[in-house]
Amino acid sequence: AQSVTQLDSQVPVFEEAPVELRCNYSSSVSVYLFWYVQYPNQGLQLLLKYLSGSTLVESINGFEAEFNKSQTSFHLRKPSVHISDTAEYFCAVSREGQGFSFIFGKGTRLLVKP
Amino acid sequence: KAGVTQTPRYLIKTRGQQVTLSCSPISGHRSVSWYQQTPGQGLQFLFEYFSETQRNKGNFPGRFSGRQFSNSRSEMNVSTLELGDSALYLCASSLVAGANTEAFFGQGTRLTVV
Repeated sequence: AQSVTQLDSQVPVFEEAPVELRCNYSSSVSVYLFWYVQYPNQGLQLLLKYLSGSTLVESINGFEAEFNKSQTSFHLRKPSVHISDTAEYFCAVSREGQGFSFIFGKGTRLLVKP
Repeated sequence: KAGVTQTPRYLIKTRGQQVTLSCSPISGHRSVSWYQQTPGQGLQFLFEYFSETQRNKGNFPGRFSGRQFSNSRSEMNVSTLELGDSALYLCASSLVAGANTEAFFGQGTRLTVV
């Protein structure tokens, strides 16, 4: 069975510091990987996705994630965070043959402090 | 273009009642999925519809049901409400129905069962 593990439930960090949010998945077949962000009282917004090709994917607001097949990981990184990055971040996988459905991790709350 | 619209945004119901939530996908999107989000269980997949057919179903009791109309709008129904059904219910739409598809989420309906 598939599963997604986000190792940290909360990550506090000072503004302008780098951050890494960790995500590991387990699956016996190829998967597609996503990071979503959720601001308070909002739905989920897609941050970035890995479908195929280059293992390093980037978002427009400075986040990046690297797909590592051997370590079954898809960690999210940002070299310098802003107060506005404070939110809940969810890692998710989907795979062929399952129609369209995600398995989400439990989420990591990123708290950026001034 | 308009995003995914979920109505109502907030709902308070009494245990034992039933409730219907509505989701209007992005124009042209034919796949609609529903998720339940709770602090304890995180985001869990309920079901997915594509062209009025339920293609995929999560691990929820039969009290949870849904349907999709010819215009792709979807409703989910929960009968005989329990306190544990209190959650944020999120709807997601996508253009096609493959696993490598980007999903767009609505802001959710927050259901409180008292």
